[in-house]
Amino acid sequence: GESVGLHLPTLSVQEGDNSIINCAYSNSASDYFIWYKQESGKGPQFIIDIRSNMDKRQGQRVTVLLNKTVKHLSLQIAATQPGDSAVYFCAENIWGSARQLTFGSGTQLTVLP
Amino acid sequence: SQTIHQWPATLVQPVGSPLSLECTVEGTSNPNLYWYRQAAGRGLQLLFYSVGIGQISSEVPQNLSASRPQDRQFILSSKKLLLSDSGFYLCAWSGVAGAHTDTQYFGPGTRLTVL
Repeated sequence: GESVGLHLPTLSVQEGDNSIINCAYSNSASDYFIWYKQESGKGPQFIIDIRSNMDKRQGQRVTVLLNKTVKHLSLQIAATQPGDSAVYFCAENIWGSARQLTFGSGTQLTVLP
Repeated sequence: SQTIHQWPATLVQPVGSPLSLECTVEGTSNPNLYWYRQAAGRGLQLLFYSVGIGQISSEVPQNLSASRPQDRQFILSSKKLLLSDSGFYLCAWSGVAGAHTDTQYFGPGTRLTVL
């Protein structure tokens, strides 16, 4: 079946560096994507979303890039801080459909001092 | 603003005992409500969702059940817990009635350990 997957299960970066977390999706009809951050022992927290009519969307220190040609989504975190250490999930769906959001398995980001 | 509450935060129960986890949402009306389970180091598994009072859809067969007695209250229950029911249970809501593509917002979760 269709699924959302992540290229790397773990990512370690130095504090202050930029982080890039990747996500591949297989449903070419998907047109709505969300990134969540989950800290240990807490519920996932919405970070940023993007619709397929955009290639890029920026938030505070985060940027999501969408490449529909290769069905790839990435989350860029600028000047990574210790508080950014968490598991990051991508999710995808078809806007307006009755399908449920499909979540990826997550990437563990560890920020090194 | 909207807030979502779950309780209890942690729970340790013996095998064969009953379960009741509660989720409430404030600041919105007629939300879609969801129950997910997350095993350690794993992704999210959708268990149940509800688009309205008394309307429950189950995504996976199991010994769990869900109920929605009020618009902003969602309850996850079991008559007899199994060891495999251990996990982190998350409730979520979304704001577009009947459609599941809107952003879902999660509660703080309940850590359930079945011994």
